[in-house]
Amino acid sequence: GENVEQHPSTLSVQEGDSAVIKCTYSDSASNYFPWYKQELGKRPQLIIDIRSNVGEKKDQRIAVTLNKTAKHFSLHITETQPEDSAVYFCAPSTDSWGKLQFGAGTQVVVTP
Amino acid sequence: DAGVTQSPTHLIKTRGQHVTLRCSPISGHKSVSWYQQVLGQGPQFIFQYYEKEERGRGNFPDRFSARQFPNYSSELNVNALLLGDSALYLCASSSKGTREETQYFGPGTRLLVL
Repeated sequence: GENVEQHPSTLSVQEGDSAVIKCTYSDSASNYFPWYKQELGKRPQLIIDIRSNVGEKKDQRIAVTLNKTAKHFSLHITETQPEDSAVYFCAPSTDSWGKLQFGAGTQVVVTP
Repeated sequence: DAGVTQSPTHLIKTRGQHVTLRCSPISGHKSVSWYQQVLGQGPQFIFQYYEKEERGRGNFPDRFSARQFPNYSSELNVNALLLGDSALYLCASSSKGTREETQYFGPGTRLLVL
């Protein structure tokens, strides 16, 4: 089955700095690459996703980059704010509406 | 427009009991997936149903079962509860073949087994 690893497991950044989380996967059939944000006690919420025919996608302060050859994709958050503090999960999949294989999560703490 | 809803929000059971969790997808979504999220871990896939048929099953014992109804709502059943079944159970709905072809999660049911 799919093996998904996220690094780092925790990330502490100063407000205004950038944060980068990397997700490595093993299934070469994966072609959908989302990132979810989960605040304490709440549901996972999709923040950005990318499909295998695209190398990079940006939405305001967040971006996702994909290296399909190396089987990894990364979440980039610029100009971090305290409200960016949460657990972030990558969840690669072979299709966007089917089984998501979640990583273990990255706890991001943004300090003012 | 209502999002994915789940009931109940919280539940306390004892070992050996049975539990039924319910999920209503976003209107128009025909696929429902169930995930188990143990504290401190990422969600783990349990089942996916599409058009009332099981489309996928994760690595969970036969004590876990699910079904989808004609209105696309779904139930997750867990028999002979164990302490290790304590978790947040998440339901996600999606719509195949549209621009909404991604998964939206409900608020979850928090199950505590004593």
